[in-house]
Amino acid sequence: EAGVVQSPRYKIIEKKQPVAFWCNPISGHNTLYWYLQNLGQGPELLIRYENEEAVDDSQLPKDRFSAERLKGVDSTLKIQPAELGDSAVYLCASSSHQGQDTQYFGPGTRLTVL
Amino acid sequence: TQLLEQSPQFLSIQEGENLTVYCNSSSVFSSLQWYRQEPGEGPVLLVTVVTGGEVKKLKRLTFQFGDARKDSSLHITAAQPGDTGLYLCAGPTSGTYKYIFGTGTRLKVLA
Repeated sequence: EAGVVQSPRYKIIEKKQPVAFWCNPISGHNTLYWYLQNLGQGPELLIRYENEEAVDDSQLPKDRFSAERLKGVDSTLKIQPAELGDSAVYLCASSSHQGQDTQYFGPGTRLTVL
Repeated sequence: TQLLEQSPQFLSIQEGENLTVYCNSSSVFSSLQWYRQEPGEGPVLLVTVVTGGEVKKLKRLTFQFGDARKDSSLHITAAQPGDTGLYLCAGPTSGTYKYIFGTGTRLKVLA
């Protein structure tokens, strides 16, 4: 069974540029999460989807971040414009359904903003 | 606000040594999880503990959930270089499906 796929793995951009990350969850998983992880720290939830509905986006900085999960499968996280402080690893995870406690993480996208 | 604090933050030991990592909170959690994350990869779930006082073993790793369900520990016996990584605890916030993660313990086992 294929795991959670993320792309790109690495991205370097200049500040004020836009950037987008893509995530393909494990087949059949209804719940999808985007996390931000700063170096050496634990992941912090940005947004959680249940199918195509964003059920928790309270930690998403909506002035510059947006996300979508069309058709309840793949998801895209966008930052526009990027700031220096956005440099981090962006992790995507999925679970079979809300309340199922096993989250499967992708390898992440490491973003560097210059 | 529920928080999970882990200690120590960093740990560097020789192969064959034993170690314990702690995860503490002032809040009660219905369950706690432990993950290991290797460089360039996402966290991988090791175990979930759900009952106060519960002890679970995974080969050389022993996980314990505190009686009051506010803390947990991870003990590694005879550490090996393959145990190197970032160890994270995580738990669901009260009444939600949102998981918060601890601050992490970075372990390095030297051959």
